[in-house]
Amino acid sequence: AQSVSQHNHHVILSEAASLELGCNYSYGGTVNLFWYVQYPGQHLQLLLKYFSGDPLVKGIKGFEAEFIKSKFSFNLRKPSVQWSDTAEYFCAVNAKTNAGKSTFGDGTTLTVKP
Amino acid sequence: KAGVTQTPRYLIKTRGQQVTLSCSPISGHRSVSWYQQTPGQGLQFLFEYFSETQRNKGNFPGRFSGRQFSNSRSEMNVSTLELGDSALYLCASSLAGTGLTEAFFGQGTRLTVV
Repeated sequence: AQSVSQHNHHVILSEAASLELGCNYSYGGTVNLFWYVQYPGQHLQLLLKYFSGDPLVKGIKGFEAEFIKSKFSFNLRKPSVQWSDTAEYFCAVNAKTNAGKSTFGDGTTLTVKP
Repeated sequence: KAGVTQTPRYLIKTRGQQVTLSCSPISGHRSVSWYQQTPGQGLQFLFEYFSETQRNKGNFPGRFSGRQFSNSRSEMNVSTLELGDSALYLCASSLAGTGLTEAFFGQGTRLTVV
């Protein structure tokens, strides 16, 4: 069975600070990895995804994530956060052989102080 | 291109009643997945439908059921509602649900059971 663990439940940063949100997954097979963001009052949106190839993937709004296979990790980073990045962030994984079922982490709430 | 549409947006039901939620996927998408989102449990996978067949199922009781129509629209039904069923129910659609795929989420239906 798949599982996803997000290490931080709530992160508070000041504008311009750097961000790193941890995500580890547990699954024996080959996976697709995702980060989704949910802004207040809005629906889940895809930030970035990893299917294969370069383990460093870049997404929208200056976010990036690095897939480290040996550590089963897919941490999200942004060098300088903005107040508008305040949102809830979800890491998700699905198996390449059964991508119709995604497993999500519990989410990390990011609050950026202006 | 229209996004994923879920109706209704809000519902209030009493314990013991049943409810049906609807999801219209993005045009051309054949896979529809349903998730339950609660503050304490995060996003929990309910089930996935592909070409009118349930292809994946999460760990929810039989009170939760669904179906998909030939036009890929999907409905989710919850019978004998319990207070603990209060949650945001999210629908996601994807092109094929296998291999290289990403899910697009609707705004959700907020169900309150009183």
